[in-house]
Amino acid sequence: GDSVTQMEGPVTLSEEAFLTINCTYTATGYPSLFWYVQYPGEGLQLLLKATKADDKGSNKGFEATYRKETTSFHLEKGSVQVSDSAVYFCALRLSGGYNKLIFGAGTRLAVHP
Amino acid sequence: EPEVTQTPSHQVTQMGQEVILRCVPISNHLYFYWYRQILGQKVEFLVSFYNNEISEKSEIFDDQFSVERPDGSNFTLKIRSTKLEDSAMYFCASIRDGEAQYFGPGTRLLVL
Repeated sequence: GDSVTQMEGPVTLSEEAFLTINCTYTATGYPSLFWYVQYPGEGLQLLLKATKADDKGSNKGFEATYRKETTSFHLEKGSVQVSDSAVYFCALRLSGGYNKLIFGAGTRLAVHP
Repeated sequence: EPEVTQTPSHQVTQMGQEVILRCVPISNHLYFYWYRQILGQKVEFLVSFYNNEISEKSEIFDDQFSVERPDGSNFTLKIRSTKLEDSAMYFCASIRDGEAQYFGPGTRLLVL
């Protein structure tokens, strides 16, 4: 079935380090892909999205490129800050703009000064 | 910026009791969703709702669950007889035109 697989956390980095969180998916058709972030005690916030192959989503220094050939949507940031500490969720939505989201398990990121 | 709101933020209930979780979606949105996240697990889809009826539901959404849009602003999730395993964070989300879903801050439900 349709699913999302994320790298297990926690990921612990020092401030200004490079971040990669891997995400791969299995889906029929041409899904849209999303990264959501959940800060401590808060809900899910959309971080970035991509709706078709080779699209690059970006926001707040984070980037992810929709790679159809590798069915991946890895999240990257060149220089993380302590304020980036959160849980990051990769998600897909099957074709059709109103379909449900299918989430990965989430990856906790902890950034230390 | 418009946002999805949810009440209460926390609810504690006894097993077998009914609970109603409330959501106010963004005002011009048309599709509404409930998801849940059991502690330490992934976010799971429960149900989607459009034009005053359920458009899709998951296996989790059994007869103990129901949703309603009782007026032009609220969207509710009712659990008729709560079980211990219903303890989770429940998120409401809404969408207008096929863009990304906007999530509320969640209601943390604890069933004792």
